[in-house]
Formats: sequence, C-alpha cells, structure tokens
Amino acid sequence: NFMLTQPHSVSESPGKTVTISCTRSGGSIASNYVQWYQLRPGSSPTTVIFEDNVRPSGVPDRFSGSIDTSSNSASLTISGLQTEDEADYYCQSYDGSNQGVFGGGTKLTVL
Amino acid sequence: EVQLLESGGGLVQPGGSLRLSCAASGFTFSNYAMNWVRQAPGKGLEWVSIISGSGADAYYADFVKGRFTISRDNSKNTLYLQMYSLRADDTAVYYCAKDPVERNVVVVVTPAGADSWGQGTLVTVSS
Repeated sequence: NFMLTQPHSVSESPGKTVTISCTRSGGSIASNYVQWYQLRPGSSPTTVIFEDNVRPSGVPDRFSGSIDTSSNSASLTISGLQTEDEADYYCQSYDGSNQGVFGGGTKLTVL
Repeated sequence: EVQLLESGGGLVQPGGSLRLSCAASGFTFSNYAMNWVRQAPGKGLEWVSIISGSGADAYYADFVKGRFTISRDNSKNTLYLQMYSLRADDTAVYYCAKDPVERNVVVVVTPAGADSWGQGTLVTVSS
C-alpha cells in the first residue's frame, strides 16, 4: 500500500492564495485519481475536487487541484481566501487494488 | 438533488454486530459505486470500503477485512455495511459517500472518491 502525507497546518490571510500539498509515498501520484475534501467541525465532509482537478457543481472556481509527477504530489490551491474556507482538508486516493487511502488532513487557518 | 441518509448506528458491546444502512435518492443508484468512510473521535477520515454499482465487486480496508461486509440492494436504493466482531477502535461516525462518475459496469473501475456524502451515523463500541 502507500501513504499520502499532508502538512499538519497552513495559515494565510483573507484574500490571499494558499496551496496544500499531498505527497504520495509508494507508487505514482498519477496512477489513481486524487480527491480533496473539506471538513468543518460538526459537519459532514464536502468534496471540493475529484479526479485530480474536477470541481463538483457548486464549488467556487477559487478551488483548484493539480498533480505533479516530478514531486509525486497533488496540490489543492485556494485563491481569494475567505474566512469560511477555514476547515480541515483531506486528500484521498486509491491503490491499484481499489483500496482507498486518506492523507492525515491539513488544518487551514484564515487569519 | 442527491440525498444520502445513514441509519443503524448506536452503542454495541465489544465483539458485537451492527448493520448500517444508507438510503439514497436523487440519482440512478445502480449506476454509481458507493463508499463507506469513517471518522473516529478526534481523528481524521478513514476509508472503509467500496462497492460497484452492480454490487458484484467490493473492496475493503485491511483493518476491516473479514469483519465487515458491504452490500447494496439496488431495488431499494440502499447501501449496507454489516459489521461483526466490533472493537473499541471501530468507534466512529460512519459516512456513506457516492462516487462522482456514472459507470454502468459490473466491477469497480477507476474509483474517484466521492462527490456526495450523508450526514453520518455514530457507532460506539463500548462495554
């Protein structure tokens, strides 16, 4: 199996841009789609990106996803940060045996 | 509008069993793979299992293999998770989650996580 490693926390000011990384150890990041989920305390997760870079309907285009095979990582970029973006963000992918793996989560603080 | 409504959670003793259900509406249920994901108190998200739209193909996290069984009844638009031999570390909120991509296939093919989630159901394993 493989692991997805995220920074524990990131912080940035309103209106700025922040990028959260998700590095895959074991296998290529391009082997399986990467998803990103937002989780606020007391709420169910919501999906902000699936299939590496696809936004579900209703998710603002301030959210974008990408993968970088040179660093074997995926990234979630949030531009024009708003206070409502403050949440935990999780990356997720699957291995070749269709077993899912989550990253440990990144706490985004918008100060 | 996609709706997923979990039920069946509760308090169970270690070694006990429980069956979770997820009632789906607002989409052609049989055309989508479905996942179960959990979150233990104070912990991160943890993937549990996935099943194909037909129900013929399923995969599990290593920590639940042999103890949990995922299934679905497409005539009832309902997803299930049968849990046996429950342990204290299975205590979590369990979410059902719908794969984003419509695939009318028998097996799980290039899963893409989830685009819709239920509200979750709490399972507490304690004596």
